[in-house]
Amino acid sequence: EAAVTQSPRNKVTVTGGNVTLSCRQTNSHNYMYWYRQDTGHGLRLIHYSYGAGNLQIGDVPDGYKATRTTQEDFFLLLELASPSQTSLYFCASSPRRSAETLYFGSGTRLTVL
Amino acid sequence: GDKVKQSPSALSLQEGTNSALRCNFSIAATTVQWFLQNPRGSLINLFYLVPGTKENGRLKSAFDSKESYSTLHIRDAQLEDSGTYFCAIASSSFSKLVFGQGTSLSVVP
Repeated sequence: EAAVTQSPRNKVTVTGGNVTLSCRQTNSHNYMYWYRQDTGHGLRLIHYSYGAGNLQIGDVPDGYKATRTTQEDFFLLLELASPSQTSLYFCASSPRRSAETLYFGSGTRLTVL
Repeated sequence: GDKVKQSPSALSLQEGTNSALRCNFSIAATTVQWFLQNPRGSLINLFYLVPGTKENGRLKSAFDSKESYSTLHIRDAQLEDSGTYFCAIASSSFSKLVFGQGTSLSVVP
């Protein structure tokens, strides 16, 4: 079973704050993804990557940066957090492409006051 | 958006009964995945399908690519089946999975 670990589990910050969400997968998957989940919108893709140093823009990228430092590690950065970014964030990985089985982390609940 | 529609949006089942969830899509899909988000918030893989059917215990899923839909059948529903079920499709038109809005299932004694 693929392992995807997210940290922190919960985070509270203030408007304008700087936040980094971390994700690590230990199954040598090429693809990694950041989603946000909001009531009424379901899961929306923020950014994704197909390998170390690569970054692809998702469907809702505004206000977010991401960096894939190694094959295992994918970070989501909010440099000027806003209340609209209060959400449940999921990291996921898949072996090759999005058509492959997706494995999710446990989620990070972010609150921006 | 509305490329993937799940129905019903919410459902309450009595323990021990059966039901089916549906996922309709307006674009051609190559694969379908089903996930369960449990009450703790974790997203769990249930099925990954090419056209055809798969079965796992009390769950069975079918994907008809010609008619553009997929179903998830739950047999003998248990309390631990409660949660939100999401389908997601892969399409040659998009490089990313497209998710439905989910079906919220509550299994009651």
